[in-house]
Amino acid sequence: KNEVEQSPQNLTAQEGEFITINCSYSVGISALHWLQQHPGGGIVSLFMLSSGKKKHGRLIATINIQEKHSSLHITASHPRDSAVYICAPGGGADGLTFGKGTHLIIQP
Amino acid sequence: EAGVAQSPRYKIIEKRQSVAFWCNPISGHATLYWYQQILGQGPKLLIQFQNNGVVDDSQLPKDRFSAERLKGVDSTLKIQPAKLEDSAVYLCASSLVGSQDTEAFFGQGTRLTVV
Repeated sequence: KNEVEQSPQNLTAQEGEFITINCSYSVGISALHWLQQHPGGGIVSLFMLSSGKKKHGRLIATINIQEKHSSLHITASHPRDSAVYICAPGGGADGLTFGKGTHLIIQP
Repeated sequence: EAGVAQSPRYKIIEKRQSVAFWCNPISGHATLYWYQQILGQGPKLLIQFQNNGVVDDSQLPKDRFSAERLKGVDSTLKIQPAKLEDSAVYLCASSLVGSQDTEAFFGQGTRLTVV
């Protein structure tokens, strides 16, 4: 079973700040999802990455497969970025294993 | 591209009643997942289908939960009878194939409240 640890669990920041959320997992995988969950329960897949770095708008995700670690960065954060961000390594036949999520609040 | 559709969005039932959730995955997606997410926790896999066959249902409380995916497309998840601790968001997700490097897409979820 893959043990997933995310940090921080809660983060409150001011608008415009650079945000970093970290994820470590215990079992080697070949891909990892970063997910965003807004109040109400809907989950949106932000990234799926297998190596290196991906960028989408103000969001950047990196992964180091050997070190079993991934990070999600938000540049120029905005109140609409307030959500729960969930790291989910694995997938496929083994299913996704989810972290508990990072509750992010961006204050104007 | 249409996303994963789930219904209903919200459901309130009394304990010991029955409830069913429906999921329509993205067209052509062979793998379908049902997750249970209790408030404050990450989603927990209940069952995974590959087409209409079950890949993993090890965490499905089979005494009260059941799921089916007839014809390998739509899926229903049923709880009978419901308990207070079943209050959660039930998420459906699908992916093209069941390999690790295939992106999963999630529905909006069904928020169940058992009173």
